[in-house]
Amino acid sequence: KAGVTQTPRYLIKTRGQQVTLSCSPISGHRSVSWYQQTPGQGLQFLFEYFSETQRNKGNFPGRFSGRQFSNSRSEMNVSTLELGDSALYLCASRVQGEESPLHFGNGTRLTVT
Amino acid sequence: SQKIEQNSEALNIQEGKTATLTCNYTNYSPAYLQWYRQDPGRGPVFLLLIRENEKEKRKERLKVTFDTTLKQSLFHITASQPADSATYLCAPILGGYNKLIFGAGTRLAVHP
Repeated sequence: KAGVTQTPRYLIKTRGQQVTLSCSPISGHRSVSWYQQTPGQGLQFLFEYFSETQRNKGNFPGRFSGRQFSNSRSEMNVSTLELGDSALYLCASRVQGEESPLHFGNGTRLTVT
Repeated sequence: SQKIEQNSEALNIQEGKTATLTCNYTNYSPAYLQWYRQDPGRGPVFLLLIRENEKEKRKERLKVTFDTTLKQSLFHITASQPADSATYLCAPILGGYNKLIFGAGTRLAVHP
């Protein structure tokens, strides 16, 4: 079974621009979560989608948004990029079941200059 | 608010010894706890889950304990190997479909 796929792997943007990151979950997984990882803050939860609905949300500004499509693929968008948005963005999927573990992709490394 | 603490300093041990990593949590009572391993430039990989009614869980050279009184989980790697060098993350989880929140992780370095 193919793992979680994130594209692109690397991205360089300038301040003020917007960016869209993509995530394809493992086949059969309907839950997709997004995390931001920085050296200083660790893994910070952004949001979780299940069956095209946002089920949980973290404490990020409204510039961060996401959506999930009917095939469970997900995208996250960051508008008006700031230098502090430079991070590794990780997507994870899991099967239904509150104990089920997350399966992570290898992330998109975003650099904002 | 929920708080999760893992040793921020790296843990350096000699090959063959047992590594013990600590995860403390405050201000909530998780129903279970997951441990993950993360290598540089990669996403975390799930290792073990332990439930609140389980004192201990084992998987090969890994052992996890869960003390709900102390609000602490310990993660042990016995007979450690250089290949075990990585960052280890804990995620104490409330029941239901709550979001998974992670500790900052502890970096383990196993030296030959």
